[in-house]
Amino acid sequence: EPEVTQTPSHQVTQMGQEVILRCVPISNHLYFYWYRQILGQKVEFLVSFYNNEISEKSEIFDDQFSVERPDGSNFTLKIRSTKLEDSAMYFCASRGSGANVLTFGAGSRLTVL
Amino acid sequence: AQRVTQPEKLLSVFKGAPVELKCNYSYSGSPELFWYVQYSRQRLQLLLRHISRESIKGFTADLNKGETSFHLKKPFAQEEDSAMYYCALGYNQGGKLIFGQGTELSVKP
Repeated sequence: EPEVTQTPSHQVTQMGQEVILRCVPISNHLYFYWYRQILGQKVEFLVSFYNNEISEKSEIFDDQFSVERPDGSNFTLKIRSTKLEDSAMYFCASRGSGANVLTFGAGSRLTVL
Repeated sequence: AQRVTQPEKLLSVFKGAPVELKCNYSYSGSPELFWYVQYSRQRLQLLLRHISRESIKGFTADLNKGETSFHLKKPFAQEEDSAMYYCALGYNQGGKLIFGQGTELSVKP
């Protein structure tokens, strides 16, 4: 069964550093998403991406965040200057053009010290 | 505003007992409801969607628009059902989901 792949599985960084989280969505999917889950809290929507542009973003997704699909296969989330409160599990998801069903990756755990 | 509420943080039952994980939603339009499951250290996986009206791993869920609920049920719980269960609301065709807080189901032998 095709999977969404995320790297790294865990990243530890210092506050203020830039972080890039990578995702390889399912190959024939057209819609891409980032969600995050702070420890002990609910899974929260960050951003959706379609046709090489952001289609929707949440209030969490401020100017410190950006997304990109640089090469037609990877889908990245960049945090420009990390804060302690960015520590969370970040999930990438993708879906095809048919059913409104998301397939999630295993997540990237970000720890900001 | 759209909201999903799962009132139980933890539900603990014995093997063979019936299980009901509660989910209530708030949305004035036509919702699409999902249950996702996360087994220990694994990814979120789709368990059920209300449109499909199917039973997966013995679980069923019925959308009750009058009570704005989408409770997940299983008549006889198994130990391998132990996991985190998330109810989610999709309210546009863009795929954006609003998740509940999650309920941890623990099935004891």
